[in-house]
Amino acid sequence: DIVMTQSPDSLAVSLGERATINCKSSQTILYSSNSKNHLAWYQHKPGQPPKLLIYWASTRESGVPDRFSGSGSGTDFTLTISSLQAEDVAVYYCQQYYTTPPWTFGQGTKVEIK
Amino acid sequence: EVQLLESGGGLVQPGGSLRLSCAASGFPFISYAMTWVRQAPGKGLEWVSSVSGGVGTTYYADSVKGRFTISRDNSKSTLYLQMSSLRAEDSALYYCARQLSVGTTTRALLGYWGQGNLVTVSS
Repeated sequence: DIVMTQSPDSLAVSLGERATINCKSSQTILYSSNSKNHLAWYQHKPGQPPKLLIYWASTRESGVPDRFSGSGSGTDFTLTISSLQAEDVAVYYCQQYYTTPPWTFGQGTKVEIK
Repeated sequence: EVQLLESGGGLVQPGGSLRLSCAASGFPFISYAMTWVRQAPGKGLEWVSSVSGGVGTTYYADSVKGRFTISRDNSKSTLYLQMSSLRAEDSALYYCARQLSVGTTTRALLGYWGQGNLVTVSS
């Protein structure tokens, strides 16, 4: 099974500052057949369902603000919030959707305002 | 507009059974893979089970294999999760989710989510 490990578990960032979350997979999730990284990022706020932010490691979902960006390839990935807003307080999860199950999530990173 | 409405949760005793439903609308249900994801209290997200669009191939996490059964009724645009031999550790908010777009490489890329349905396993 592919294990997804996020770091840090939590972080506090001042409004307008950059927040960076890392995600590491235990094996590559770069699929040779399509040359794509099968990595997604979700935002989860209390009382709401998770929301897809980023897929293929760096493609922003429709309607997601451009302050959210994803990068990385192979086994190491990053979600960056370039200028943290109050509404970005949430738990963020990476997830691999590589070829075969189980399709695993990271343990989550809680983002708060400093 | 894509809508996913879960139902069927509640309180059940250990060893008991429960069936969750997810009524879908706003898209051609038969074409899309569907997934159940759960979140136990104070814990993170856990992939539980998926069923592909079309022929309906099923996939399960080891933690539920042999106890849970995912199915779909395309005529009713409804997804199900039959849960049996329930344990305390199955207590969670269960989400129904749809793949973002049709395709075999994105079965578990979850673009649309229901609001969640609470299952509590306790005596």
